[in-house]
Amino acid sequence: AQTVTQSQPEMSVQEAETVTLSCTYDTSESDYYLFWYKQPPSRQMILVIRQEAYKQQNATENRFSVNFQKAAKSFSLKISDSQLGDAAMYFCAYNRRGNNDMRFGAGTRLTVKP
Amino acid sequence: DADVTQTPRNRITKTGKRIMLECSQTKGHDRMYWYRQDPGLGLQLIYYSFDVKDINKGEISDGYSVSRQAQAKFSLSLESAIPNQTALYFCATSDGGKGGKKTQYFGPGTRLLVL
Repeated sequence: AQTVTQSQPEMSVQEAETVTLSCTYDTSESDYYLFWYKQPPSRQMILVIRQEAYKQQNATENRFSVNFQKAAKSFSLKISDSQLGDAAMYFCAYNRRGNNDMRFGAGTRLTVKP
Repeated sequence: DADVTQTPRNRITKTGKRIMLECSQTKGHDRMYWYRQDPGLGLQLIYYSFDVKDINKGEISDGYSVSRQAQAKFSLSLESAIPNQTALYFCATSDGGKGGKKTQYFGPGTRLLVL
């Protein structure tokens, strides 16, 4: 079974600084998708960034980028120039190609200090 | 207008009551999902549906049932609610066809309290 582990229950960052959230996953598959979702206090689950395992290039979306290490089964999220609105729970998720059973990590609560 | 909507947003019920949570989507996706979120945990999949005639159990389907009334509607029922079903419930959709990007889009969530 695939599992997703987020080892940092809480993280904090100073506004305008950079923070990296960690995620590791366990799978025997070679073709899959990885995601980072953000859940602000509004409870909405918002897609932050998505990575396809067959792509070696790390995904980037504005201030958000990932460090995808397929051999190490690691998928960390880097937030640059942190803003107060980035404060939220962040969930890492895994989904094998051809399967709709998305697995989520337990989440990391990010606090942004002004 | 939101692409994925859930009703109600909040619900308080008593043990043993039957309740239904509803989800509608305007994204035109064929796949829909119900998840449960407990404090300190990630989301756990309850049921998912590939189309109107296809329903599949997820990790934690016991105590729940679903109905896919139309491509755009997917409801979750608790036949006899119990307190440990108190949680935040999310509906999600995805485009699962060829070339589909597997990204799931979530509704705003329903907070359920079972007394």
